[in-house]
Amino acid sequence: QKEVEQNSGPLSVPEGAIASLNCTYSDRVSQSFFWYRQYSGKSPELIMSIYSNGDKEDGRFTAQLNKASQYVSLLIRDSQPSDSATYLCAVRMDSSYKLIFGSGTRLLVRP
Amino acid sequence: NAGVTQTPKFQVLKTGQSMTLQCAQDMNHNSMYWYRQDPGMGLRLIYYSASEGTTDKGEVPNGYNVSRLNKREFSLRLESAAPSQTSVYFCAVQESNQPQHFGDGTRLSIL
Repeated sequence: QKEVEQNSGPLSVPEGAIASLNCTYSDRVSQSFFWYRQYSGKSPELIMSIYSNGDKEDGRFTAQLNKASQYVSLLIRDSQPSDSATYLCAVRMDSSYKLIFGSGTRLLVRP
Repeated sequence: NAGVTQTPKFQVLKTGQSMTLQCAQDMNHNSMYWYRQDPGMGLRLIYYSASEGTTDKGEVPNGYNVSRLNKREFSLRLESAAPSQTSVYFCAVQESNQPQHFGDGTRLSIL
């Protein structure tokens, strides 16, 4: 069973809409959670990090963490075509600092 | 990604050839990682180095070796390349529980 699960997509939303990306993880003791954006042919770049339950907002991005239900989500408000990319969820699951990555969700924002 | 430099950016090998992928950082981070990324598979950890002088296997270490030369440099070696090792390889660095930062990647094709 994969430890970090994401819907592969593509998730298609119109420009200006809210895009909602979800990630579930298997280990209840997971402590740190990260969202990365990866454009085609490029390396992953950090969008958000979240360490405690609740919401964390940064500009158009909001990360939501629910440890009891073992999911973390990323909301992108006022989606732009430039947001079209693959979004990777990463989770730190043990006492080391290693991250486990999901396979990513491809987001398409239609003009 | 000025902080993490990977060389080469592209390489084509024949089956059975050997090569070393180089990663150097100027971020003074303790931990360094090597991942491979295949279509639909997300990022899979090959080897990592939690600190200078230590290395450990990740999820997919077979066919690879690593050297943590000093705090700045972490190399990945393919002793006898196989077509199954055709992939995009990313180096990442990290300090404590902070996010990982990635290099631009090496695109490796093995014929």
